[in-house]
Amino acid sequence: DAGVTQSPTHLIKTRGQQVTLRCSPKSGHDTVSWYQQALGQGPQFIFQYYEEEERQRGNFPDRFSGHQFPNYSSELNVNALLLGDSALYLCASRYTGQGLYEQFFGPGTRLTVL
Amino acid sequence: GDSVTQMEGPVTLSEEAFLTINCTYTATGYPSLFWYVQYPGEGLQLLLKATKADDKGSNKGFEATYRKETTSFHLEKGSVQVSDSAVYFCALDQTGANNLFFGTGTRLTVIP
Repeated sequence: DAGVTQSPTHLIKTRGQQVTLRCSPKSGHDTVSWYQQALGQGPQFIFQYYEEEERQRGNFPDRFSGHQFPNYSSELNVNALLLGDSALYLCASRYTGQGLYEQFFGPGTRLTVL
Repeated sequence: GDSVTQMEGPVTLSEEAFLTINCTYTATGYPSLFWYVQYPGEGLQLLLKATKADDKGSNKGFEATYRKETTSFHLEKGSVQVSDSAVYFCALDQTGANNLFFGTGTRLTVIP
Protein backbone atom coordinates (compact mmCIF):
# COMPACT_ATOMS: atom_id res chain seq x y z
CA ASP A 1 0.00 0.00 0.00
CA ALA A 2 1.55 3.27 -1.17
CA GLY A 3 -0.27 5.37 1.39
CA VAL A 4 -1.09 8.99 0.57
CA THR A 5 1.09 10.37 -2.20
CA GLN A 6 1.59 13.97 -3.23
CA SER A 7 3.23 15.66 -6.18
CA PRO A 8 5.38 17.49 -6.76
CA THR A 9 7.68 17.27 -3.76
CA HIS A 10 8.96 20.80 -4.16
CA LEU A 11 7.83 23.76 -6.23
CA ILE A 12 9.12 27.29 -6.74
CA LYS A 13 6.83 29.98 -8.13
CA THR A 14 6.83 33.76 -8.34
CA ARG A 15 4.25 36.17 -6.98
CA GLY A 16 1.08 36.38 -9.06
CA GLN A 17 1.48 32.95 -10.60
CA GLN A 18 -0.90 30.04 -10.22
CA VAL A 19 -0.04 26.58 -8.87
CA THR A 20 -1.67 23.15 -8.83
CA LEU A 21 -0.78 20.50 -6.28
CA ARG A 22 -1.89 16.88 -6.54
CA CYS A 23 -2.83 14.19 -4.07
CA SER A 24 -3.61 10.51 -4.41
CA PRO A 25 -5.37 9.10 -1.35
CA LYS A 26 -4.56 5.86 0.38
CA SER A 27 -6.19 2.89 -1.28
CA GLY A 28 -9.83 2.56 -0.23
CA HIS A 29 -10.10 6.13 1.04
CA ASP A 30 -12.75 8.46 -0.38
CA THR A 31 -12.32 11.72 1.56
CA VAL A 32 -9.45 14.12 1.03
CA SER A 33 -8.50 17.13 3.16
CA TRP A 34 -5.87 19.77 2.50
CA TYR A 35 -3.80 21.61 5.10
CA GLN A 36 -1.27 24.46 4.93
CA GLN A 37 1.72 24.25 7.28
CA ALA A 38 3.79 27.42 7.48
CA LEU A 39 7.35 27.12 8.74
CA GLY A 40 7.41 26.54 12.48
CA GLN A 41 3.63 26.33 12.72
CA GLY A 42 1.02 23.63 12.96
CA PRO A 43 -1.04 22.65 9.93
CA GLN A 44 -4.13 24.76 9.16
CA PHE A 45 -7.20 23.21 7.57
CA ILE A 46 -7.97 24.52 4.07
CA PHE A 47 -10.85 22.35 2.87
CA GLN A 48 -12.19 18.82 2.58
CA TYR A 49 -13.60 16.95 -0.43
CA TYR A 50 -15.98 14.03 -0.50
CA GLU A 51 -17.98 12.70 -3.44
CA GLU A 52 -16.30 15.31 -5.65
CA GLU A 53 -17.71 18.21 -3.64
CA GLU A 54 -16.19 20.62 -1.14
CA ARG A 55 -17.76 19.66 2.19
CA GLN A 56 -15.94 21.87 4.68
CA ARG A 57 -13.74 24.92 4.36
CA GLY A 58 -11.35 26.65 6.72
CA ASN A 59 -10.53 30.33 6.87
CA PHE A 60 -8.81 30.63 3.50
CA PRO A 61 -9.58 33.06 0.66
CA ASP A 62 -11.20 32.09 -2.62
CA ARG A 63 -7.77 32.08 -4.26
CA PHE A 64 -7.56 28.58 -2.81
CA SER A 65 -9.73 26.13 -4.69
CA GLY A 66 -9.81 22.42 -5.18
CA HIS A 67 -11.20 19.50 -7.04
CA GLN A 68 -11.80 15.82 -6.43
CA PHE A 69 -11.89 13.34 -9.28
CA PRO A 70 -14.00 10.18 -9.62
CA ASN A 71 -10.98 8.09 -8.58
CA TYR A 72 -10.88 10.15 -5.31
CA SER A 73 -7.63 11.89 -6.15
CA SER A 74 -7.58 15.61 -5.55
CA GLU A 75 -5.99 18.86 -6.65
CA LEU A 76 -5.35 22.06 -4.74
CA ASN A 77 -5.14 25.22 -6.85
CA VAL A 78 -3.84 28.53 -5.62
CA ASN A 79 -4.22 31.65 -7.82
CA ALA A 80 -2.43 34.99 -7.60
CA LEU A 81 0.29 33.62 -5.35
CA LEU A 82 1.54 35.75 -2.48
CA LEU A 83 4.81 35.47 -0.59
CA GLY A 84 2.79 34.35 2.42
CA ASP A 85 1.57 31.29 0.54
CA SER A 86 5.02 29.74 0.94
CA ALA A 87 4.42 26.66 3.07
CA LEU A 88 4.24 22.88 3.20
CA TYR A 89 0.90 21.73 1.80
CA LEU A 90 -0.36 18.50 3.29
CA CYS A 91 -3.00 16.18 1.94
CA ALA A 92 -4.83 13.77 4.22
CA SER A 93 -7.25 11.00 3.35
CA ARG A 94 -9.68 8.75 5.15
CA TYR A 95 -12.52 6.34 4.48
CA THR A 96 -15.84 7.84 5.50
CA GLY A 97 -17.33 4.54 6.57
CA GLN A 98 -14.76 3.81 9.28
CA GLY A 99 -14.17 5.60 12.57
CA LEU A 100 -13.92 9.31 12.07
CA TYR A 101 -10.39 9.58 13.28
CA GLU A 102 -8.27 7.34 11.12
CA GLN A 103 -6.87 10.06 8.87
CA PHE A 104 -3.58 9.49 7.01
CA PHE A 105 -1.28 12.28 5.86
CA GLY A 106 0.99 12.50 2.85
CA PRO A 107 4.57 13.82 3.02
CA GLY A 108 3.53 17.18 1.62
CA THR A 109 4.49 19.55 -1.19
CA ARG A 110 6.89 22.34 -0.27
CA LEU A 111 5.84 25.52 -2.13
CA THR A 112 8.19 28.49 -2.24
CA VAL A 113 6.90 31.79 -3.61
CA LEU A 114 9.57 34.31 -4.61
CA GLY B 1 -12.87 30.10 18.83
CA ASP B 2 -11.04 26.84 19.16
CA SER B 3 -7.37 26.94 20.08
CA VAL B 4 -4.59 24.59 21.12
CA THR B 5 -1.61 25.77 23.16
CA GLN B 6 1.48 23.60 23.29
CA MET B 7 4.59 23.76 25.38
CA GLU B 8 7.21 25.70 23.47
CA GLY B 9 10.26 23.87 22.29
CA PRO B 10 12.67 22.78 21.38
CA VAL B 11 13.00 20.09 24.02
CA THR B 12 16.28 18.20 24.34
CA LEU B 13 16.49 15.09 26.51
CA SER B 14 18.97 12.34 27.14
CA GLU B 15 18.01 8.80 26.19
CA GLU B 16 15.85 7.08 28.84
CA ALA B 17 14.71 10.39 30.32
CA PHE B 18 11.06 11.08 31.18
CA LEU B 19 9.13 13.18 28.67
CA THR B 20 6.22 15.54 29.21
CA ILE B 21 4.89 17.85 26.51
CA ASN B 22 2.08 20.05 27.76
CA CYS B 23 -1.03 20.75 25.74
CA THR B 24 -4.09 22.76 26.74
CA TYR B 25 -7.08 23.59 24.62
CA THR B 26 -10.00 25.97 24.33
CA ALA B 27 -13.15 24.69 22.67
CA THR B 28 -16.89 24.73 23.03
CA GLY B 29 -18.53 21.41 23.67
CA TYR B 30 -16.53 18.20 23.87
CA PRO B 31 -13.83 17.91 21.23
CA SER B 32 -11.81 14.82 20.44
CA LEU B 33 -8.11 15.21 21.15
CA PHE B 34 -5.07 13.88 19.31
CA TRP B 35 -1.31 13.77 19.31
CA TYR B 36 0.38 13.59 15.91
CA VAL B 37 4.08 13.08 15.27
CA GLN B 38 6.12 14.31 12.30
CA TYR B 39 9.42 12.54 11.74
CA PRO B 40 11.99 14.26 9.51
CA GLY B 41 11.01 13.97 5.84
CA GLU B 42 7.78 12.11 6.62
CA GLY B 43 4.10 12.95 6.81
CA LEU B 44 2.16 13.47 9.99
CA GLN B 45 1.28 10.25 11.79
CA LEU B 46 -1.42 9.77 14.37
CA LEU B 47 0.27 8.84 17.64
CA LEU B 48 -2.74 8.54 19.94
CA LYS B 49 -6.22 9.89 20.50
CA ALA B 50 -8.95 10.32 23.11
CA THR B 51 -12.57 11.00 22.32
CA LYS B 52 -14.09 11.79 25.72
CA ALA B 53 -13.20 13.03 29.19
CA ASP B 54 -10.94 10.74 31.26
CA ASP B 55 -10.05 8.63 28.23
CA LYS B 56 -6.38 7.68 28.07
CA GLY B 57 -4.78 7.30 24.67
CA SER B 58 -1.61 5.24 24.41
CA ASN B 59 0.76 4.00 21.72
CA LYS B 60 4.45 3.11 21.46
CA GLY B 61 4.98 3.86 25.16
CA PHE B 62 3.40 7.34 24.87
CA GLU B 63 0.31 8.22 26.91
CA ALA B 64 -2.06 11.18 27.24
CA THR B 65 -5.20 11.57 29.35
CA TYR B 66 -8.14 13.78 28.35
CA ARG B 67 -8.64 16.09 31.36
CA LYS B 68 -11.81 18.09 30.94
CA GLU B 69 -11.47 19.89 34.28
CA THR B 70 -8.09 21.33 33.30
CA THR B 71 -8.74 21.32 29.51
CA SER B 72 -5.46 19.49 29.03
CA PHE B 73 -4.05 16.56 27.08
CA HIS B 74 -0.40 16.31 28.12
CA LEU B 75 1.83 13.81 26.32
CA GLU B 76 4.11 11.60 28.45
CA LYS B 77 6.62 8.83 27.95
CA GLY B 78 8.57 7.15 30.70
CA SER B 79 11.80 6.50 28.80
CA VAL B 80 12.54 8.23 25.50
CA GLN B 81 14.72 6.82 22.76
CA VAL B 82 16.79 8.53 20.07
CA SER B 83 14.20 7.32 17.53
CA ASP B 84 11.55 9.46 19.29
CA SER B 85 13.23 12.61 17.96
CA ALA B 86 10.51 14.37 15.95
CA VAL B 87 8.01 17.22 16.07
CA TYR B 88 4.89 16.51 18.14
CA PHE B 89 1.56 18.22 17.48
CA CYS B 90 -1.45 18.37 19.74
CA ALA B 91 -4.75 18.70 17.86
CA LEU B 92 -8.49 18.80 18.41
CA ASP B 93 -11.51 17.96 16.31
CA GLN B 94 -14.57 19.90 17.33
CA THR B 95 -16.89 18.88 14.54
CA GLY B 96 -16.29 15.16 14.47
CA ALA B 97 -15.58 15.40 10.77
CA ASN B 98 -11.81 15.28 10.96
CA ASN B 99 -11.41 19.03 10.53
CA LEU B 100 -8.36 19.13 12.76
CA PHE B 101 -7.13 22.19 14.64
CA PHE B 102 -3.41 21.88 15.45
CA GLY B 103 -1.08 23.46 17.96
CA THR B 104 2.22 24.94 16.82
CA GLY B 105 4.23 21.79 17.49
CA THR B 106 7.05 20.90 19.88
CA ARG B 107 10.38 19.69 18.52
CA LEU B 108 11.92 16.90 20.60
CA THR B 109 15.56 15.88 20.25
CA VAL B 110 16.81 12.86 22.17
CA ILE B 111 20.57 12.53 22.51
CA PRO B 112 22.37 9.25 23.25
